[in-house]
Amino acid sequence: DIQMTQSPASLSASLGETVTIECRASEDIYSNLAWYQQKPGNSPQLLIYDANSLADGVPSRFSGSGSGTQYSLKINSLQSEDVASYFCQQYNNYPHTFGAGTKLELK
Amino acid sequence: EVQLVESGGGLVQPGRSLKLSCAASGFTFSNYYMAWVRQAPTKGLEWVASITNSGGSTYYRDSVKGRFTISRDNAKSTLYLQMDSLRSEDTATYYCTRGGRWYLSSWFAYWGQGTLVTVSS
Repeated sequence: DIQMTQSPASLSASLGETVTIECRASEDIYSNLAWYQQKPGNSPQLLIYDANSLADGVPSRFSGSGSGTQYSLKINSLQSEDVASYFCQQYNNYPHTFGAGTKLELK
Repeated sequence: EVQLVESGGGLVQPGRSLKLSCAASGFTFSNYYMAWVRQAPTKGLEWVASITNSGGSTYYRDSVKGRFTISRDNAKSTLYLQMDSLRSEDTATYYCTRGGRWYLSSWFAYWGQGTLVTVSS
């Protein structure tokens, strides 16, 4: 199984700040990576697919990058509505696997 | 508008069975892979099972293989998850998800609201 190591586990940032969340795969996943946002009490929502493609309706302050085994999600100009947990997920192989998540809070 | 509405969750004793359903609307159901993803209370996300658009192939995580069965009825635009021999570690909210690409395994583009399954005596 492909292991997804996500960091940091938690993050505290100020409004307007830029934050970056990292995800490392245990083997090459050829950019078959997605990022999801989950707000408390809600279902996860797709943010990024194919490592760097923005899902419909997602604000442009979110961006994804990376290749091979290393990927990142960047949030520019942090807004209060971005407080949530974020998960990466690889879909290159079965079983599809998720990172453990990053909980983003406001400082 | 894409909608995925799960039902069938509840409290069940260890060793018993439960069947989840997911009614899909707003898209051509038979064009997409579908999957179940679960989340134990206060935990992360865990892929459970996937099924191809035709239903001809299915995929499972090891811990549910032989106990869970994913299926679909394309005429009714409905996805199912039959869960047998349930264990306490199966306790979770189960989400129905739709793939992002036609006819191919891919990311989970849409998620239902989830249905809670609690396995306890």
